[in-house]
Amino acid sequence: AQSVTQLDSHVSVSEGTPVLLRCNYSSSYSPSLFWYVQHPNKGLQLLLKYTSAATLVKGINGFEAEFKKSETSFHLTKPSAHMSDAAEYFCVVSPRNQFYFGTGTSLTVIP
Amino acid sequence: EPEVTQTPSHQVTQMGQEVILRCVPISNHLYFYWYRQILGQKVEFLVSFYNNEISEKSEIFDDQFSVERPDGSNFTLKIRSTKLEDSAMYFCASTRRASGIKGGTDTQYFGPGTRLTVL
Repeated sequence: AQSVTQLDSHVSVSEGTPVLLRCNYSSSYSPSLFWYVQHPNKGLQLLLKYTSAATLVKGINGFEAEFKKSETSFHLTKPSAHMSDAAEYFCVVSPRNQFYFGTGTSLTVIP
Repeated sequence: EPEVTQTPSHQVTQMGQEVILRCVPISNHLYFYWYRQILGQKVEFLVSFYNNEISEKSEIFDDQFSVERPDGSNFTLKIRSTKLEDSAMYFCASTRRASGIKGGTDTQYFGPGTRLTVL
């Protein structure tokens, strides 16, 4: 069975401080993993993806994620939050030709 | 940069009516998907489509749903008899190839969504 757990439904950080959005997954297959961002009233935009190459994945807008197989985690980080990072973030696991979304983490950035 | 487009952006319909949601995937993509997101809930997979047939579908995708690629560019989702609980944002996505291919899953590109409101 496949599932994705985003451990925090809401995260609030101050502008300029680090961001950590947590994601754990379970999969019967070796999955591909993605992070998507959704700004209000917008579609889903790919931030980054892991597809069995390097375990540390760099994405757009300064985001990174590290795949840790032993912990079945794929946490999203950014060294310094910007106001424009405020959005909903989704972790996605794709073991086969389906994509399973986490419930999302809402990121608030405080000026 | 090529993008997935969806029309209409907002559809309002009466319960029991049929609706067709339209998507134009990226032109060289071969795999197409529909998802829905009920307000305040997570994005849910509905169906994937390849080579003019359904590849995978979820439990949500019951007999009232159907998909079609009527021509070389459009990909449609039809809901035959809408219910109140079908009110949601519906996202179309496409990939150049499927997951499970050596090298990992290809990136899904999402459209901006169609907001369906069933009254």
